[in-house]
Amino acid sequence: EVQLVESGGGFVQPGGSLRLSCVASGFAFRTYAMNWVRQSPGKGPEWISYISSTSTTIYYADSVQGRFTISRDNAKNSLYLQMNTLRVEDTAMYYCARKYDFSVAGLAIDSWGQGALVTVSS
Amino acid sequence: DVQMTQSPSSVSASVGDRVTITCRASHGISTWLAWYQQKPGRAPKLLIYASSSLQGGVPSRFSGSGSGTDFTLTISSLQPEDFATYYCQQANSFPLAFGGGTKVEIK
Repeated sequence: EVQLVESGGGFVQPGGSLRLSCVASGFAFRTYAMNWVRQSPGKGPEWISYISSTSTTIYYADSVQGRFTISRDNAKNSLYLQMNTLRVEDTAMYYCARKYDFSVAGLAIDSWGQGALVTVSS
Repeated sequence: DVQMTQSPSSVSASVGDRVTITCRASHGISTWLAWYQQKPGRAPKLLIYASSSLQGGVPSRFSGSGSGTDFTLTISSLQPEDFATYYCQQANSFPLAFGGGTKVEIK
């Protein structure tokens, strides 16, 4: 069974930093591209970052470019999101999300973690 | 960047009703379109990919269609477990984008 388990969320003041982790199990993590997707309360999901299986290709949403850094450690089956200079508007549930490894699905997401809540407030 | 617009934002329906949700892309995305279902407190769940392909384990009452800029998700006979919020997502290019959601509520 595919499992994605996020950790590292919490409460932080504006300007602060947090590092989210996602541990994967039940599949060959090293062969899958991964994403981070966030969702603010009452809003739709917002994609924020993508990393290819070998970390050679990385993309960010404009809203986090220059402040957030995605990375992975395939030996540890882990995905990370380093979040710096946090803003109130970064408050959201953050999901680790696996890209569907099926060419006809394009960039669809087939598995999601349970999420890590990040609250940015003074 | 491709923006996604869903309508309606909410719909009230009864068990057994046919429900149709529409999604429009700001630019053509061929059939690179996915649909997700989300229940309160849960992560989204993939229902349909490539506009019309049913993900494994998803009931056949769900169907999708469309290409280019206009897409639809249809639930042929609404069941109690289908009351949820539905999102479309363009799966064509980065940045990925989701629609604003359609909440299917009990009438």
